[in-house]
Amino acid sequence: GAVVSQHPSRVICKSGTSVKIECRSLDFQATTMFWYRQFPKQSLMLMATSNEGSKATYEQGVEKDKFLINHASLTLSTLTVTSAHPEDSSFYICSATPTASYGYTFGSGTRLTVV
Amino acid sequence: AQKITQTQPGMFVQEKEAVTLDCTYDTSDPSYGLFWYKQPSSGEMIFLIYQGSYDQQNATEGRYSLNFQKARKSANLVISASQLGDSAMYFCAMREGNDMRFGAGTRLTVKP
Repeated sequence: GAVVSQHPSRVICKSGTSVKIECRSLDFQATTMFWYRQFPKQSLMLMATSNEGSKATYEQGVEKDKFLINHASLTLSTLTVTSAHPEDSSFYICSATPTASYGYTFGSGTRLTVV
Repeated sequence: AQKITQTQPGMFVQEKEAVTLDCTYDTSDPSYGLFWYKQPSSGEMIFLIYQGSYDQQNATEGRYSLNFQKARKSANLVISASQLGDSAMYFCAMREGNDMRFGAGTRLTVKP
């Protein structure tokens, strides 16, 4: 149990376009999901906490207008990178946890390349 | 402020030997959870082991054990009988409330 699906796994987009990444909890409901960014050879940095039915909470230094998060249902959160630039190229990974569980399950990640 | 510290950027171990990956943390919350994850080159995050702040015993999961020293705020991962497939990045993480934060990671290389 506790499977998180993330799509797409890889995406290449042109500078200035927008990209949407989906994160789904397949066998549990997640009122909260988390979005991380990981640059090469670095750790995972928490970008934002996605809350079902309300606004996301962004970490300091993360532009909320650039990284739009929507958590419209208990099983789906989306991250949209708007007006992408090459410096947004990174590995984005989401996670969620079933209610009353200690463990976090991660999606398989999305490698974004902006050219 | 850095809450999770992994001081070993890289570690080498001979196949079949044991290795300890260090992790220290900082929190004033009495209730927290400590995790270790493995990240192979594919990028997926693989959960290895969990230790709750109130757990009296050190956690063990197969070849993985967590050396939890609460007073020192350390949660070192011990991998016994290393295998070539253990070569990967290893991240220590702490959960306080809903937030989970990660250390910088340690790259483990298992030598044949």
